[in-house]
Amino acid sequence: GNSVTQMEGPVTLSEEAFLTINCTYTATGYPSLFWYVQYPGEGLQLLLKATKADDKGSNKGFEATYRKETTSFHLEKGSVQVSDSAVYFCALSENGNKLVFGAGTILRVKS
Amino acid sequence: DAGVIQSPRHEVTEMGQEVTLRCKPISGHNSLFWYRQTMMRGLELLIYFNNNVPIDDSGMPEDRFSAKMPNASFSTLKIQPSEPRDSAVYFCASSLRGIAYNEQFFGPGTRLTVL
Repeated sequence: GNSVTQMEGPVTLSEEAFLTINCTYTATGYPSLFWYVQYPGEGLQLLLKATKADDKGSNKGFEATYRKETTSFHLEKGSVQVSDSAVYFCALSENGNKLVFGAGTILRVKS
Repeated sequence: DAGVIQSPRHEVTEMGQEVTLRCKPISGHNSLFWYRQTMMRGLELLIYFNNNVPIDDSGMPEDRFSAKMPNASFSTLKIQPSEPRDSAVYFCASSLRGIAYNEQFFGPGTRLTVL
């Protein structure tokens, strides 16, 4: 079946550091890929998405590129802020409806 | 739009009691999802509906759990009887089925504590 694997956290960084959160997936077809973010005490919200190979999703300084050859969708940001502290979920959708989520990665940014 | 609305936001109950969680999806959305989040198991999809019809309930843990969607603007998740291991945050999400990248919009969640 379809699955998503994320790097384990927590990831702790200083402000303005470079961020990478790894995500790889297993799917039988050609899924759409997503990153969702969950701030403390809130529900998940979509951060960015990519619907086909080599697409780059971007939002709020975050980027991720859909790499079919490595089945990856790593999240990056050049300079993190304290306000980026949250839980980040990688997810895929293969049938246009149901999402399969990774376990989530906690990010802590220190000032 | 007010977004996905869930109630109550917090629920504390005793083992054996019935618990009902409520969700109002975003107007116009035709897919609705119930998730459970715990530290141990992460985010789990319990059930989802398309056009008010349950499509996949394979994530519902036991017969104690049931979900209904009587109309396009309301859904309930019921646990009867509740047990301490049901303590979790329950999220409802909705989306517009048929678009290629089905963004799901999540509610704020209901934090359930079963004593």
